[in-house]
Amino acid sequence: DAKTTQPTSMDCAEGRAANLPCNHSTISGNEYVYWYRQIHSQGPQYIIHGLKNNETNEMASLIITEDRKSSTLILPHATLRDTAVYYCIVLGGNNRKLIWGLGTSLAVNP
Amino acid sequence: NAGVTQTPKFQVLKTGQSMTLQCAQDMNHEYMSWYRQDPGMGLRLIHYSVGAGITDQGEVPNGYNVSRSTTEDFPLRLLSAAPSQTSVYFCASSRLAGYNEQFFGPGTRLTVL
Repeated sequence: DAKTTQPTSMDCAEGRAANLPCNHSTISGNEYVYWYRQIHSQGPQYIIHGLKNNETNEMASLIITEDRKSSTLILPHATLRDTAVYYCIVLGGNNRKLIWGLGTSLAVNP
Repeated sequence: NAGVTQTPKFQVLKTGQSMTLQCAQDMNHEYMSWYRQDPGMGLRLIHYSVGAGITDQGEVPNGYNVSRSTTEDFPLRLLSAAPSQTSVYFCASSRLAGYNEQFFGPGTRLTVL
């Protein structure tokens, strides 16, 4: 199973873009990169996922490097409500089990 | 749609007691799973199911049983509760086996004394 590495914590000013990095150097060709977040003690919430192309939805953008060994989740205009723990997960192929790391604790400051 | 619902929200048990955590989804999802979340350890998969009648073990299955008699319901049974099972338990579902967006319930906070 591919493993991911994320910074433990990050800060961002309200209204600015939040860029959350993730390393997944052992990712295989048929594995997707997923991002989830967990606000306070709620259940995790799906944000976005991608295989090799960049993806965008109403919540965020996902930039995957050409070699697919790393990716960046971008929250274009962070708000206080984006304060959460963000998890980067690799899933696909024969791997049907989400393996969660400790994620990045993002603090959006006023 | 109610999405994924879990009951109870909070529970306190004594060591050795048994109980069932309930999970239901109304989205006709094939895949359902149970996780536990402990401080400093992230979420860990307990059991999962890819459809009615099919279940399999995750990372930390010991002390827990599951069954999937219907598409909608996926109860988690604690056979003989231990203090090490004090945790927050989350149920999740997705349309297909782990490949799609997973929807999580609000969690059950369990304390075993």
